[in-house]
Amino acid sequence: GAGVSQSPSNKVTEKGKDVELRCDPISGHTALYWYRQSLGQGLEFLIYFQGNSAPDKSGLPSDRFSAERTGGSVSTLTIQRTQQEDSAVYLCASSSLGGYGYTFGSGTRLTVV
Amino acid sequence: GESVGLHLPTLSVQEGDNSIINCAYSNSASDYFIWYKQESGKGPQFIIDIRSNMDKRQGQRVTVLLNKTVKHLSLQIAATQPGDSAVYFCAENPSGGKLIFGQGTELSVKP
Repeated sequence: GAGVSQSPSNKVTEKGKDVELRCDPISGHTALYWYRQSLGQGLEFLIYFQGNSAPDKSGLPSDRFSAERTGGSVSTLTIQRTQQEDSAVYLCASSSLGGYGYTFGSGTRLTVV
Repeated sequence: GESVGLHLPTLSVQEGDNSIINCAYSNSASDYFIWYKQESGKGPQFIIDIRSNMDKRQGQRVTVLLNKTVKHLSLQIAATQPGDSAVYFCAENPSGGKLIFGQGTELSVKP
């Protein structure tokens, strides 16, 4: 597509429920990244996919967080047993090889009540 | 750990003046740097980038300066407009993979 698409744009969930956030990267971009941004804060790296290589999961805050990227394109970030501290904007970005053309989506605002 | 930091968390300028936002980075291996603008409720928007083999790059009303000697990056916005009000992030790419972001500077433009 023309840009990075994320869905849903907003998600309200009850504490303890699982949520899935979706990212559709720019066509042809080989790399995909997930970040988290809490209110008024910077971007916290979560996970990075590059082609068929094993993902860099070094930023995932706990084992409740996981992500998949199917067919080298769409990615899903899953948060299990959500907690209130998981409330944030989850941003996805994609880029071509080498990190060039790094483009963000508009994010999913997750609120855990 | 490695980080990219900003000298000023907030910056207030008069409409029409020039703005300068500064950033310090810590990884001397970084070879690619990007400035992003983020408006409220939106994702970061690419403004301008620069590779380490350059020390200056100009875009439309924006200029990025890179000083590798002191590991300093700056974003200059000419004739700042109210629409420039946003949070600005610098980011470095030390390994061709994930970007490392600074904390952000909030730019406020007074009419």
